[in-house]
Amino acid sequence: EIVLTQSPVTLSLSPGERVTLSCRASQSVTSSYLAWYQQKPGQSPRLLISGASNRATGIPDRFSASGSGTDFTLTISRLEPEDFAVYFCQQYGSSPITFGQGTRLETK
Amino acid sequence: EVQLVESGGGLVQPGRSLRLSCAASGFKFDDYAMYWVRQAPGKGLEWVSGISWNSNYIAYADSVKGRFTISRDNAKNSLYLQMNSLRTEDTALYYCAKDQTWGSYRQVFDRWGQGTPVTVSS
Repeated sequence: EIVLTQSPVTLSLSPGERVTLSCRASQSVTSSYLAWYQQKPGQSPRLLISGASNRATGIPDRFSASGSGTDFTLTISRLEPEDFAVYFCQQYGSSPITFGQGTRLETK
Repeated sequence: EVQLVESGGGLVQPGRSLRLSCAASGFKFDDYAMYWVRQAPGKGLEWVSGISWNSNYIAYADSVKGRFTISRDNAKNSLYLQMNSLRTEDTALYYCAKDQTWGSYRQVFDRWGQGTPVTVSS
């Protein structure tokens, strides 16, 4: 099973700042089959990115992602108030699919 | 608008059973693989099970294999999860989720329900 480790666990930032979240896999992720989700308190997760870098429908272009092999990143170019949430990465290239433990973005 | 509405959760004693349902609308249900994903209180996400659009492919996490059964009724636009021999560690919010890609078992979840809570406790 591929273990995904996200860092940092928690990040305190201010609106307008740029942020990069990391997701590191214990083994290479097949064909960059990596997705990112956002989850706000009391809500279900929302798909942001699939295929390592492809934004899902309706996702603002301030969200971008990249990576391959074992190292992946999600970047938010300019934080909006609604972006403070928990972010999960997920690999779907190997069975079983697995999720990272999440990175919490909180307001400074 | 895509909607996924879970039901059937509740408080149950260890060793007992529960059946979850997910009613889907707003998309052609029988074109998409569907999944159950759970989230223990204050924890991360754990994939539980998935089923292809035509039920020909079914998969389970090792943690539930042999105890849980996923099924779907395309005529009723519904997904189910029969959970037997429940354990305290099965306590979680159970989400129904839709595959992003038509006709594929890709395991990217582009729509999620609000979840139904399951608590296993004596």
